[in-house]
Amino acid sequence: SYVLTQPPSVSVAPGQTARITCGGYNIGSKSVHWYQQKPGQAPVVVVYDDSDRPSGIPERFSGSNSGNTATLTITRVEAGDEADYYCLVWHSLNDPFGGGTKLTVL
Amino acid sequence: EVQVLESGGGLVQPGGSLRLSCAASGFTFSSYAMNWVRQAPGKGLEWVSFISGSGGRPIYADSVKGRFTISRDNSKNTLYLEMNSLRAEDTAVYYCVKDLGVVTPYYFDYWGQGSLVTVSS
Repeated sequence: SYVLTQPPSVSVAPGQTARITCGGYNIGSKSVHWYQQKPGQAPVVVVYDDSDRPSGIPERFSGSNSGNTATLTITRVEAGDEADYYCLVWHSLNDPFGGGTKLTVL
Repeated sequence: EVQVLESGGGLVQPGGSLRLSCAASGFTFSSYAMNWVRQAPGKGLEWVSFISGSGGRPIYADSVKGRFTISRDNSKNTLYLEMNSLRAEDTAVYYCVKDLGVVTPYYFDYWGQGSLVTVSS
């Protein structure tokens, strides 16, 4: 079965750049979507179709996808960016979410 | 404004049944597919089921196939999830989620606030 691999945690200081990866075989040939979930809240899409941003999402959030790795990049990280981040990839009609990455702002 | 509001969660014994409902507003309900996604306490997101805008082509995660049934009533702008033979591992917050796709899954653009289902004796 197709496995989507995310690092369990990423830590970054305020003002620095955070990179959260989502690994999968030939993921570069698929569309990747990214969700942010803060404690006690429903997830919110921050990037869709690899690199597009919904209205209202800051330009600090960007995405890329090539080869076997998709990446969510958050520049000028703020305390309010601390959350869990999930990638979503419809590789088959089952289990489209990565395991999630907890972003800690130091 | 797009809104999706779940109801019907609660405490149920193992082997029991429960039906979740999701009332949608702010968009043409029949024009979009819908999904259920769940999250067990302290765990990640797990997609559960998909249904196309017309109500055809239901798809289920392997973990719930044969036990859960997704349906929709486009005249009432309401999505349902019938859950049977519930197990302790089905305990989770269940989210009703609007899909940007119509016939096939695309990505989820609006989420409800979730309904907690607890399976315990």
